[in-house]
Amino acid sequence: DSGVTQTPKHLITATGQRVTLRCSPRSGDLSVYWYQQSLDQGLQFLIQYYNGEERAKGNILERFSAQQFPDLHSELNLSSLELGDSALYFCASSPRGGVGGEQYFGPGTRLTVT
Amino acid sequence: AQTVTQSQPEMSVQEAETVTLSCTYDTSESDYYLFWYKQPPSRQMILVIRQEAYKQQNATENRFSVNFQKAAKSFSLKISDSQLGDAAMYFCAYRSATGANSKLTFGKGITLSVRP
Repeated sequence: DSGVTQTPKHLITATGQRVTLRCSPRSGDLSVYWYQQSLDQGLQFLIQYYNGEERAKGNILERFSAQQFPDLHSELNLSSLELGDSALYFCASSPRGGVGGEQYFGPGTRLTVT
Repeated sequence: AQTVTQSQPEMSVQEAETVTLSCTYDTSESDYYLFWYKQPPSRQMILVIRQEAYKQQNATENRFSVNFQKAAKSFSLKISDSQLGDAAMYFCAYRSATGANSKLTFGKGITLSVRP
């Protein structure tokens, strides 16, 4: 158990819908990262937050957005869903700005868009 | 931009034997971290081992060790005394040690099977 929690574990929804994925980092970790794992694209970085502020953006679609709240949990919002958005979405956390380098991953949310 | 390449999509090893998984990377940076993550069928991403680029000594964690060749930009993972529980997908990953973006850049992964 990494100490990072994600809910829900599975999500099935229809095209055009909007969903919210939730992540709670390890106790004391200020940085949260979101990654997408799909068969086509592999593991890709989406976005990073540090202590409530957006720190870096990767290959995140405009239909996707995220935020980190004062209690440090983070939410990833996916809207106007398409079949190609079906993937495993991971949240990871690291202490401070990532000192030490390692990131600890949650169990992931498997999103299926039908 | 940094890239990570894992050219072997699959490997197989006999239980109790040793196997080496290969990884190469490309970067213009001198200070960075390299990682191996394990993803078993449960899909959980588990950190196996970490290497700091400034350290010449290769990292070891129990049965897992790396061969880090900075000049060649090579970072292989050796698993000794392979166990059935080692069967999983293994990802090599790169992280810059400088700058604001501390994202992980992953290779495509290698599927390791362990034969009893």
